[in-house]
Amino acid sequence: QKEVEQDPGPLSVPEGAIVSLNCTYSNSAFQYFMWYRQYSRKGPELLMYTYSSGNKEDGRFTAQVDKSSKYISLFIRDSQPSDSATYLCAMSEQAAGNKLTFGGGTRVLVKP
Amino acid sequence: EAGVAQSPRYKIIEKRQSVAFWCNPISGHATLYWYQQILGQGPKLLIQFQNNGVVDDSQLPKDRFSAERLKGVDSTLKIQPAKLEDSAVYLCASSPGGVGANVLTFGAGSRLTVL
Repeated sequence: QKEVEQDPGPLSVPEGAIVSLNCTYSNSAFQYFMWYRQYSRKGPELLMYTYSSGNKEDGRFTAQVDKSSKYISLFIRDSQPSDSATYLCAMSEQAAGNKLTFGGGTRVLVKP
Repeated sequence: EAGVAQSPRYKIIEKRQSVAFWCNPISGHATLYWYQQILGQGPKLLIQFQNNGVVDDSQLPKDRFSAERLKGVDSTLKIQPAKLEDSAVYLCASSPGGVGANVLTFGAGSRLTVL
């Protein structure tokens, strides 16, 4: 069993729809949770960074963490074709000096 | 601020040949990472440097992979000899020390194809 599980997709939605992405994990020591977006032939770029459980909102993006269920989510409201990318969740046990463990990524396609 | 620079962007080699990738991190970033991303998978950490010292190389196949970060700035990742399963994108990332150390900035990657 992988330490971080993520549905590979692809997830296809019409423009304007809400995109819902999630990851499950097995390591209860993870405390820092991130979502990265990766366009084709580009490196991942950080979208959201959260600590412990709770919600965080940034524009059209909302990240949720439920540590009791070992489950994190990313919601994208009013999706745009430019949101078409692979979304990677990543987690870490500590704030510094500790490696990130990535999920396999979910490919999202937003159709005009 | 300039991003993380990597070269070459693409490389095709035969198995058993050698290859080297170069990375120049964001100026002032103390921590540098090399990740391997196989098609359809998430990045996997190969090695992490703090300045010019190795913090974590537990997942680096040391019989064929080597990396160095001389003078604590740019870094080189070498594969010798290459195997078919080394075909992947090699991503370099850097992060500042202290607060924000978990916030990585990635380069565009070096795509390796081993034939």
